[in-house]
Amino acid sequence: EIVLTQSPGTLSLSPGERATLSCRASQSVSSSYLAWYQQKPGQAPRLLIYGASSRATGIPDRFSGSGSGTDFTLTISRLEPEDFAVYYCQQYGSSLMYTFGQGTKLEIK
Amino acid sequence: EVQLVQSGAEVKKPGESLKISCKGSGYSFTSYWIGWVRQMPGKGLEWMGIIYPGDSDTRYSPSFQGQVTISADKSISTAYLQWSSLKASDTAMYYCARHQAVAGTRLDYWGQGTLVTVSS
Repeated sequence: EIVLTQSPGTLSLSPGERATLSCRASQSVSSSYLAWYQQKPGQAPRLLIYGASSRATGIPDRFSGSGSGTDFTLTISRLEPEDFAVYYCQQYGSSLMYTFGQGTKLEIK
Repeated sequence: EVQLVQSGAEVKKPGESLKISCKGSGYSFTSYWIGWVRQMPGKGLEWMGIIYPGDSDTRYSPSFQGQVTISADKSISTAYLQWSSLKASDTAMYYCARHQAVAGTRLDYWGQGTLVTVSS
């Protein structure tokens, strides 16, 4: 089973700053199977990025994804107040199994 | 517009049974797998399993195999998650989500969640 480790656990930044969130897999993951989600308090997760770098419908272009193999990154170029949330990476494996990272909390500094 | 609408919050006692639902609309319900995700209070997302409503093919995460039952009624575009005997540790928010496999696999639409509270 592939384990996803996200870092940092908590990231404290100010609006307007750049955020870089990391997701490391315990073994190589196909880029097609790597996605990122945003979850705000009291809300369901929302798909941001799929295929490691493709933005989902309606996602602002300040969100971008990159990476390959075992190292993937979600970057938010200029933080807006509404971007402070928890972010999860996800990989898809065999037998229709999904695995999530433990999450990174992005908080206002 | 694609929507997944889940049933409302439940409060149950240990040992009771429960079935929660997820109704899909705005797309061909029988053509997409529907998955279930657990989120315990203050914790992260856990994959439970998935069903293909077209033929009810179902796969479970090893962690949830035997603990829950996933089913679907394609005639009313609804997927279900059920427990035969709830435990306090089943207290959590449960989400359904649609599995999309075109140009990359992901869960592209999510239900609003169903909060299950199990307490004596």
